[in-house]
Amino acid sequence: GAGVSQSPSNKVTEKGKDVELRCDPISGHTALYWYRQSLGQGLEFLIYFQGNSAPDKSGLPSDRFSAERTGGSVSTLTIQRTQQEDSAVYLCASSFRTSGRAGTQYFGPGTRLTVL
Amino acid sequence: DQQVKQNSPSLSVQEGRISILNCDYTNSMFDYFLWYKKYPAEGPTFLISISSIKDKNEDGRFTVFLNKSAKHLSLHIVPSQPGDSAVYFCAASAQGAQKLVFGQGTRLTINP
Repeated sequence: GAGVSQSPSNKVTEKGKDVELRCDPISGHTALYWYRQSLGQGLEFLIYFQGNSAPDKSGLPSDRFSAERTGGSVSTLTIQRTQQEDSAVYLCASSFRTSGRAGTQYFGPGTRLTVL
Repeated sequence: DQQVKQNSPSLSVQEGRISILNCDYTNSMFDYFLWYKKYPAEGPTFLISISSIKDKNEDGRFTVFLNKSAKHLSLHIVPSQPGDSAVYFCAASAQGAQKLVFGQGTRLTINP
């Protein structure tokens, strides 16, 4: 079966513009995560969706960042008024629901965002 | 506060030898640990995991060791192969938490 897919693979934008990043999780996975990896850094958690529950937004770095998940499947991460420090690889992951903890997550290839 | 630390940003090992990647954690609530491998321009791929009820888990050439008292885990790759060259991330989770906490990664280079 298909893995997690993300689009676009690369995005170059000008400072101040808005961007939308898309994630298609593995079919049947109810949990969806967004992370970002800045140059030389580890994976920074951004947001988590589980089914129809309210998302865990505790990792979003500012109110310029938002995400939604439509129909429990596809997710879009939106960054408004992009800044140069937003430049990073944005990774999406999905997993089956597990009881009480984060399950093994399967990652997409990421979107490399460059803000000029 | 970095709860999961990989103190070696890079490691170079000769082909055929053993590669040992280390990871330390500070949160005593972590009870499930994973290793991911990442090639350039790809997302991380799951490699191996271990629950805190075990101190060792083996899968082919990959073995993960967990020392709970030292809050330390390590990934052993033996024998190392050129295709093992990648960035390796350790991650940890706690019961009741839906997030994985990742280390900064270690870049492993296997030299022919």
